[in-house]
Amino acid sequence: QKEVEQNSGPLSVPEGAIASLNCTYSDRVSQSFFWYRQYSGKSPELIMSIYSNGDKEDGRFTAQLNKASQYVSLLIRDSQPSDSATYLCAVNGGFKTIFGAGTRLFVKA
Amino acid sequence: ETGVTQSPTHLIKTRGQQVTLRCSSQSGHNTVSWYQQALGQGPQFIFQYYREEENGRGNFPPRFSGLQFPNYSSELNVNALELDDSALYLCASSLAGGTGELFFGEGSRLTVL
Repeated sequence: QKEVEQNSGPLSVPEGAIASLNCTYSDRVSQSFFWYRQYSGKSPELIMSIYSNGDKEDGRFTAQLNKASQYVSLLIRDSQPSDSATYLCAVNGGFKTIFGAGTRLFVKA
Repeated sequence: ETGVTQSPTHLIKTRGQQVTLRCSSQSGHNTVSWYQQALGQGPQFIFQYYREEENGRGNFPPRFSGLQFPNYSSELNVNALELDDSALYLCASSLAGGTGELFFGEGSRLTVL
């Protein structure tokens, strides 16, 4: 079983719609959870971090964490073509941060 | 505030050669982590350096080694290069005891022929 699992996609949504990205993790002692955005040919960029159960909102982005279900999600409201990228879920439970394989998101204009 | 910088950005080596990649951490950050990202995959943790010592290691063989210097900059060395070592090598800096947020450099793309 992979430590951090994501649907590889691609996930295609129309402009203005809500994009929903999901992630599960296996290590129950994980403490910190992150979403990174990676444009093609570029390095990952941190967009959201969440540390406790519930929702955290930042602009058009909402991260959701459910530690009992070992589940993290990212919602992108009013999706824009510029949101087209790979979204990496990452989990930290100690000295290292483990990444999922990423979900490719396409936002159609 | 200066960000994370990596060099070189691109390089081509042949199988069996050795390579050194360099990273300068973001100002104020004392921890450097190295990741390998193959095409279409997520970043894979290689190792982390804190206070000039290896602080943790992923599932990579000993021919992957590193250093951290007193100014927190770091090097990744790979000996006896194999074709499968072709990847984007990412350096990320962070603050020990902080939130765990990683800040990445632009990466070094290594091609092994």
